[in-house]
Amino acid sequence: EPEVTQTPSHQVTQMGQEVILRCVPISNHLYFYWYRQILGQKVEFLVSFYNNEISEKSEIFDDQFSVERPDGSNFTLKIRSTKLEDSAMYFCASWGQKSGNTIYFGEGSWLTVV
Amino acid sequence: DAKTTQPPSMDCAEGRAANLPCNHSTISGNEYVYWYRQIHSQGPQYIIHGLKNNETNEMASLIITEDRKSSTLILPHATLRDTAVYYCIVRAGGTSYGKLTFGQGTILTVHP
Repeated sequence: EPEVTQTPSHQVTQMGQEVILRCVPISNHLYFYWYRQILGQKVEFLVSFYNNEISEKSEIFDDQFSVERPDGSNFTLKIRSTKLEDSAMYFCASWGQKSGNTIYFGEGSWLTVV
Repeated sequence: DAKTTQPPSMDCAEGRAANLPCNHSTISGNEYVYWYRQIHSQGPQYIIHGLKNNETNEMASLIITEDRKSSTLILPHATLRDTAVYYCIVRAGGTSYGKLTFGQGTILTVHP
């Protein structure tokens, strides 16, 4: 089965530092997403990305967050100046025409801000 | 997207069928019912989805009532590895592909 891969699996960072989370979506997929899950809470949508631009974003996705597809394979989430409340599991997901209506998620990147 | 209601938790004996209900009484005509599960904070895993017909795949069956206001996910022979949080999600088949709104889900515990 095709996979969405994410790195790092776990990162600890100091408050105020910049963090970049990386994702390799499934090849040939065109829609990319980031979700997050704070420990013990629901999985929350952050942003969707298509055709090199943000197609939709939630209220959580403020100016501290940005996404980029720097090359043909990677999709990144950058948090410019991390806060304690950014500590969460971040999931990347992708969807493509050939996967029907199935959205595939990666295993997540656990971010701890101290 | 329509809101869904699921029981917070359920138990099932290993080898028996697990039937997980979901209410989505405000579902509209172009909205699909999706089921995902999350095993111990791993990434959500797709199980099955449907519009109005019942569906079956290698993992599960999805039974949608005729009025589409509720559905049931059936795991025919539950194993210990099926212990997870199961999410019922309703999503429009429009342009917001992938924007899934997760609720609290049902914690399914499969016991020996």
